[in-house]
Amino acid sequence: GQSLEQPSEVTAVEGAIVQINCTYQTSGFYGLSWYQQHDGGAPTFLSYNALDGLEETGRFSSFLSRSDSYGYLLLQELQMKDSASYFCAVRGSNYQLIWGAGTKLIIKP
Amino acid sequence: DARVTQTPRDKVTEMGQEVTMRCQPILGHNTVFWYRQTMMQGLELLAYFRNRAPLDDSGMPKDRFSAEMPDATLATLKIQPSEPRDSAVYFCASGLSGGGETQYFGPGTRLLVL
Repeated sequence: GQSLEQPSEVTAVEGAIVQINCTYQTSGFYGLSWYQQHDGGAPTFLSYNALDGLEETGRFSSFLSRSDSYGYLLLQELQMKDSASYFCAVRGSNYQLIWGAGTKLIIKP
Repeated sequence: DARVTQTPRDKVTEMGQEVTMRCQPILGHNTVFWYRQTMMQGLELLAYFRNRAPLDDSGMPKDRFSAEMPDATLATLKIQPSEPRDSAVYFCASGLSGGGETQYFGPGTRLLVL
């Protein structure tokens, strides 16, 4: 079967750094994506890793290790507006995405 | 600013009625995805199209759901007859094949079946 595992909820403090992990087991792998979804909103694309290593976009970074079937999203200098759900997704062989169940990030002042 | 549009944004209907949801993908995108999101099930892929051809609809209950792309600017998702368990938010997303890692989501249709 195909599955992605990520924590259901993570709590952090404003201004801190938080890491959201994702492990995957899929029959095909073409890249790991991260999406953000605020309550009542639609998922929006954050980052994509096709190769091993770290990709940085402003306060957000995403990491991939294909040999470990593992990746993470790193959020720095947390702001209250970062409170949202974060989904990892693996691109399969037919251009569709296989989605994790999402991690709810709670940020406390 | 290119965006995926969906109509209606909200729909309340009674059990047994037909529901039609529409999506206009971003111009030039050749893949379209329909998702359903509930608190219990998360984000479920119902169907997807590439170059207007259906590639996978295995996640869709075939007895009551149907998805079509009559042209490149319109995708539809129909439920007939609707049931209370169909209550959810339905998202449409579009993208480019070969760039399948990035999907652009519409605002969703919030469906409530009474």
